[in-house]
Amino acid sequence: KQEVTQIPAALSVPEGENLVLNCSFTDSAIYNLQWFRQDPGKGLTSLLLIQSSQREQTSGRLNASLDKSSGRSTLYIAASQPGDSATYLCAVNNAGNMLTFGGGTRLMVKP
Amino acid sequence: GAVVSQHPSWVICKSGTSVKIECRSLDFQATTMFWYRQFPKQSLMLMATSNEGSKATYEQGVEKDKFLINHASLTLSTLTVTSAHPEDSSFYICSATFGEILRGDTQYFGPGTRLTVL
Repeated sequence: KQEVTQIPAALSVPEGENLVLNCSFTDSAIYNLQWFRQDPGKGLTSLLLIQSSQREQTSGRLNASLDKSSGRSTLYIAASQPGDSATYLCAVNNAGNMLTFGGGTRLMVKP
Repeated sequence: GAVVSQHPSWVICKSGTSVKIECRSLDFQATTMFWYRQFPKQSLMLMATSNEGSKATYEQGVEKDKFLINHASLTLSTLTVTSAHPEDSSFYICSATFGEILRGDTQYFGPGTRLTVL
């Protein structure tokens, strides 16, 4: 059974810092991996989707990498802003299009 | 991009009543829809997977008689929480995909429904 772990569970940084969120998964037989953002009480916003054949994806200040063999993904946020404050979820897509979510990293960026 | 809506966005009900939540794919036909539940400060947990015209597949530990899922058309799935109790209070999120289920195509998420049972 796939297990997804995100470290750290919470993170507080001053504005402007570059930061890295980590996601690890136990079963490397995945189709893709997604990073989501969730604001309090809101639904999910998909940030980046990395197919199993890809190593990384970039969107603006966000860069996600995938090392399938070691079961790891990182989300890099450059020049963090207070508006980046949210919970970031990593989800792995296994056979049958089932998503397994990590526990999330709660990010607070202080002005 | 593909849009998924949910209705209502929030609902408060009395213990013992039933609540229906709708999930619609607005601009595509969804071959498969998923229902997730999220308790406060916890991650999403898959409850069930539904394909149009067939019975939903429930995850272990999810009571199928309590959480009734109907996927009557390619654009609509409903989740009915029957005889709701305070412990059912949660954030319910649906997602939909129009791709091949085995190909791992992207799931598009609805905005969620917050259920509070008094």
